[in-house]
Amino acid sequence: DQQVKQNSPSLSVQEGRISILNCDYTNSMFDYFLWYKKYPAEGPTFLISISSIKDKNEDGRFTVFLNKSAKHLSLHIVPSQPGDSAVYFCAATDSGAGSYQLTFGKGTKLSVIP
Amino acid sequence: DAMVIQNPRYQVTQFGKPVTLSCSQTLNHNVMYWYQQKSSQAPKLLFHYYDKDFNNEADTPDNFQSRRPNTSFCFLDIRSPGLGDAAMYLCATSRGGPETQYFGPGTRLLVL
Repeated sequence: DQQVKQNSPSLSVQEGRISILNCDYTNSMFDYFLWYKKYPAEGPTFLISISSIKDKNEDGRFTVFLNKSAKHLSLHIVPSQPGDSAVYFCAATDSGAGSYQLTFGKGTKLSVIP
Repeated sequence: DAMVIQNPRYQVTQFGKPVTLSCSQTLNHNVMYWYQQKSSQAPKLLFHYYDKDFNNEADTPDNFQSRRPNTSFCFLDIRSPGLGDAAMYLCATSRGGPETQYFGPGTRLLVL
């Protein structure tokens, strides 16, 4: 049973436009969420995170929005650049569980077209 | 630069022949993780060490073992690789808790 779902396997966006990547989760105990970016032949690299006490977190061109009632988060990239082309993974954890496990989605492959 | 290093980057082994994958870190993090990622799938946690304390995920096959001889190194041993074990194996580290995990580049394992 997938607790973190990224329903779009791929997304194509024109350079300069906004990219919106979506993620849904089912476990109401999740309270900390992260986005990772992965280039081919490399490991995932941390991009941005958000705690459940917030509904928005910004870092430069990247903004993550969290809607706890809908169990939904999204990553916005504005403006999109060709170097943003990668696979983006959403991950979640229950920080109070004493566990260190991140539960990942399957990823969304973003292609930014010049 | 502080980092997570995995060796080798590509490993080919034969069906049933034991193989060891290596991970080292210069971040001095308490926690080290091993993930398995198959094509178009989410990374799946196999186990993790908090310092010397080993934590196995319930659904990790017995075929997979791990060793952490010191803070910097962690090994993944696959005792009898099957064709279904072909995957990317990712090592990650963190300070602990809901912290960001830092990943190595991964080792792609091919089983013939």
